[in-house]
Amino acid sequence: EVQLVQSGAEVKKPGESLKISCKGSGYSFTYYWIAWVRQMPGKGLEWMGIIYPGDSDTRYSPSFQGQVTISADKSIYTAYLQWSSLKASDTAMYYCASPRLRGVMGDFDYWGQGTLVTVSS
Amino acid sequence: DIQMTQSPSSLSASVGDRVTITCRASQGISNYLAWYQQKPGKVPKLLIYAASTLQSGVPSRFSGSGSGTDFTLTISSLQPEDVASYYCQKYNSAPLTFGGGTKVEIK
Repeated sequence: EVQLVQSGAEVKKPGESLKISCKGSGYSFTYYWIAWVRQMPGKGLEWMGIIYPGDSDTRYSPSFQGQVTISADKSIYTAYLQWSSLKASDTAMYYCASPRLRGVMGDFDYWGQGTLVTVSS
Repeated sequence: DIQMTQSPSSLSASVGDRVTITCRASQGISNYLAWYQQKPGKVPKLLIYAASTLQSGVPSRFSGSGSGTDFTLTISSLQPEDVASYYCQKYNSAPLTFGGGTKVEIK
């Protein structure tokens, strides 16, 4: 069974750094792209970026380029999303998601449970 | 970058009604279009991929159509369990942009 399990909820202060994770199991993690999706409170889904763990090829949405860093460690089947300096506007639920098909960015059939990030002074 | 515009942003319909949601891409994306359903407090769920292919396990009252720039998600007979937000997404190339979403409620 394919599973994406995300790290737990975080409460941070503005200016702090943060790295959240998404661990895959039940499939060949190395060969499937993994995306990160933001959902701010009461708002829609926003695609942030995507990484191919096999070679760490990473693409970002222009809206998030330079604001976050996406990485992956294929040896432990884990993808990461990190911030160097959080803002209150980063408060949101963050999902990782993976497509149906190997090797293509594709549509997202598998989703993590979400990580709620709250940034407040 | 290609923009994805969904309409309406919300709708209210009666049980049994036929519901149609549209998604327009600012440039052609062939059939690289997916639809997702997100129920309140839940993780998004893939309903349709390749514009018109129903994902396994999705009720047949859901259907998708379109190609190029104009796409449609149809619920043939709205059920109470269909209360949710629906999103389209392009996936021909990065960025894999989502539409703004359509919130479906029961009248």
